[in-house]
Amino acid sequence: GNSVTQMEGPVTLSEEAFLTINCTYTATGYPSLFWYVQYPGEGLQLLLKATKADDKGSNKGFEATYRKETTSFHLEKGSVQVSDSAVYFCALYNNAGNMLTFGGGTRLMVKP
Amino acid sequence: GAGVSQSPSNKVTEKGKDVELRCDPISGHTALYWYRQSLGQGLEFLIYFQGNSAPDKSGLPSDRFSAERTGGSVSTLTIQRTQQEDSAVYLCASSLGWGGNNSPLHFGNGTRLTVT
Repeated sequence: GNSVTQMEGPVTLSEEAFLTINCTYTATGYPSLFWYVQYPGEGLQLLLKATKADDKGSNKGFEATYRKETTSFHLEKGSVQVSDSAVYFCALYNNAGNMLTFGGGTRLMVKP
Repeated sequence: GAGVSQSPSNKVTEKGKDVELRCDPISGHTALYWYRQSLGQGLEFLIYFQGNSAPDKSGLPSDRFSAERTGGSVSTLTIQRTQQEDSAVYLCASSLGWGGNNSPLHFGNGTRLTVT
């Protein structure tokens, strides 16, 4: 079956630090990969996505590259801001099931 | 425009009581999902509705859990004889299609259920 594994948090960084949140997956076929973000007090929202190998999703300064050879989709940002403090969820979708399979979430805390 | 709306936002109930959680999806979205987010856990899929098709109930944890979607719009998740382990945030999401490449999920803010 499908599964997504993320690094456990919380991840605590100072403002302007470099961010990496690791995500690896197990899935049949060729899944699409997503990062969702949950800001404090808000619902989850799509941050970025990649639908095939070697695609790079990007949004709001965040990037993630679909690496089929390592079954990974690590989230990166060159310079984090306090406003990036949130919980980040890696997820995959494939035709094996009509739902997104989520990882456990990683809480990011950015200090000024 | 209006997003996915869930009610109540918080619910405290006694063990053994039944609860109903409501979800109003975005107008025109044919797909509706229920997920559960337990403390320190990821999002656990519960059930999926797509148009008039039979729902995918494969994620429901026990027969105490059920959901319906009336008229292809509003959905109600019912938990009977609640247990303390049911305490979690219940999230509803909707999408235009099947929630894949071209139909991202739009989530509500969730209902925080506490069973005492």
